[in-house]
Amino acid sequence: KAGVTQTPRYLIKTRGQQVTLSCSPISGHRSVSWYQQTPGQGLQFLFEYFSETQRNKGNFPGRFSGRQFSNSRSEMNVSTLELGDSALYLCASRKEGQGADEISFGPGTRLTVT
Amino acid sequence: AQSVTQLGSHVSVSEGALVLLRCNYSSSVPPYLFWYVQYPNQGLQLLLKYTSAATLVKGINGFEAEFKKSETSFHLTKPSAHMSDAAEYFCAVFNQGGKLIFGQGTELSVKP
Repeated sequence: KAGVTQTPRYLIKTRGQQVTLSCSPISGHRSVSWYQQTPGQGLQFLFEYFSETQRNKGNFPGRFSGRQFSNSRSEMNVSTLELGDSALYLCASRKEGQGADEISFGPGTRLTVT
Repeated sequence: AQSVTQLGSHVSVSEGALVLLRCNYSSSVPPYLFWYVQYPNQGLQLLLKYTSAATLVKGINGFEAEFKKSETSFHLTKPSAHMSDAAEYFCAVFNQGGKLIFGQGTELSVKP
């Protein structure tokens, strides 16, 4: 079966701009989570969406937002980009069964803010 | 609060040698634990997971991990390292709130 896909794979933006990243989960998976990976802070949880509702949110400023569509695809948006937003953004999907389902990650979107 | 500590940000072994990557967790409830591997410019690939079914968990590529409650550990091992094992490895605990809490990662180098 197809894995988690993320688009685009690479992005270069300028400070102050905004960006939208997209994630398509594995077919049948209803939960989508987003993580930010940086050399300094490691892997940090941004938010999780399930059935088009944000269910959990990490400790990030309001410039980071997301949404989920009825087909479970998700987007995250970062407004007013800062240099520190440069990171690998990873999307993860899971089926939402009992306990900890297998959580699969996409290849990530590498965002560079100049 | 749940947390994960990976001892050693860099580990170097010779090809054919034992691989041991250390992970300790903190959790007030029975944890679900994961090991992921990340190759350069790629996402995270699941190696194995512990969900309380068995304390010794076998994963892909010859890796395995043993859950030791008394030591709050979940160390990752492989009997014989291959050059292709060179990558970064992450231990994570699944939070009841639905998120993964990761350790800081261990970069594994394999020398010929």
